[in-house]
Amino acid sequence: GEDVEQSLFLSVREGDSSVINCTYTDSSSTYLYWYKQEPGAGLQLLTYIFSNMDMKQDQRLTVLLNKKDKHLSLRIADTQTGDSAIYFCAVKTGTASKLTFGTGTRLQVTL
Amino acid sequence: EAQVTQNPRYLITVTGKKLTVTCSQNMNHEYMSWYRQDPGLGLRQIYYSMNVEATDKGDVPEGYKVSRKEKRNFPLILESPSPNQTSLYFCASSFDGHEQYFGPGTRLTVT
Repeated sequence: GEDVEQSLFLSVREGDSSVINCTYTDSSSTYLYWYKQEPGAGLQLLTYIFSNMDMKQDQRLTVLLNKKDKHLSLRIADTQTGDSAIYFCAVKTGTASKLTFGTGTRLQVTL
Repeated sequence: EAQVTQNPRYLITVTGKKLTVTCSQNMNHEYMSWYRQDPGLGLRQIYYSMNVEATDKGDVPEGYKVSRKEKRNFPLILESPSPNQTSLYFCASSFDGHEQYFGPGTRLTVT
């Protein structure tokens, strides 16, 4: 089955850019997502990219997809303390509602 | 307000005592899923449903049952809970299997 990997922790200073990385194994993946989980809450969809795209920008968020290397990244520009959360990469393959999530990256924003 | 609700939010139970976690959505979504979240493992899909009376196994279905008798409800049933089912459970719904809306989570402890 699909395997999705992320690093566990990232610490950045407020105002800097954050880059969260994700790798996956199934080259037939169709949609790739980034979700944010704040403490004690469920997941919130931040953005997504279709597999035939290389890049998507949405305000402070930039998603880059390298299909050859099966590598997805999320860049957050001008990172704020409110961005502190766990970020999950998720990949859709096959059936419409089947998502495989990564382990999540905890982003810590320091002053 | 469009939302996914789960009950209970917290539950402590003993091994072998049957329990049901309810999930309800008011968005008329076709797709619903159950996930469990464990430290270091991210979210893993337990079961999903494409429509009423249509369910399928996710990655970790062992020890769980689901039913989808009505579009809005998708209960998760643990017939004989065991300590390894101690986890944080999330229900999610989606109109087209694309953007998923998550419930607030149910923290289950099995002693």
